[in-house]
Amino acid sequence: KAGVTQTPRYLIKTRGQQVTLSCSPISGHRSVSWYQQTPGQGLQFLFEYFSETQRNKGNFPGRFSGRQFSNSRSEMNVSTLELGDSALYLCASRLGSHEKLFFGSGTQLSVL
Amino acid sequence: TQLLEQSPQFLSIQEGENLTVYCNSSSVFSSLQWYRQEPGEGPVLLVTVVTGGEVKKLKRLTFQFGDARKDSSLHITAAQPGDTGLYLCAGTGDDKIIFGKGTRLHILP
Repeated sequence: KAGVTQTPRYLIKTRGQQVTLSCSPISGHRSVSWYQQTPGQGLQFLFEYFSETQRNKGNFPGRFSGRQFSNSRSEMNVSTLELGDSALYLCASRLGSHEKLFFGSGTQLSVL
Repeated sequence: TQLLEQSPQFLSIQEGENLTVYCNSSSVFSSLQWYRQEPGEGPVLLVTVVTGGEVKKLKRLTFQFGDARKDSSLHITAAQPGDTGLYLCAGTGDDKIIFGKGTRLHILP
């Protein structure tokens, strides 16, 4: 069974630009969560989607948005990039609530 | 706001030594999970503890959930270079998962 796939692995953008990250969950998993990981703040929850609906949301500004498609693939968009958005963005999928999370390898975003 | 504090933040020890890392909170969690993350990869779940006082063993790793379900510890016996990585604890409850900032462990050969 293929794991969680995130694309691209690396991205370099400049301030003010926008970026879209993609995540393909494990086949059969309907829940996809997104996390931001930085050395200073650790792993912070962005949002979770289940069956195309946002189920939970973390404390991030509206510049961070996401969506989930009918095949459970998910995208995360960040608009008007800031230097502080430089981070590893991780996607995780699971079968449902109370199930274990499976993480992808992440997208390393650098904002210059 | 639920918070998980992990200590120490960094730990560098010689191969063969024993170590314990801690995960503490003032909040009660339904369960506590431990993950290991290696450079360039996402976290991988090692274990989930659910019952207060529960102890689980995974080869040389021993995980314990506090009686009050607010804290947990991870003990590694005879550490190996392959144990090197970032160890994250995560508390679950109300459909949410809260992560600690992690303990970065480096085992010197």
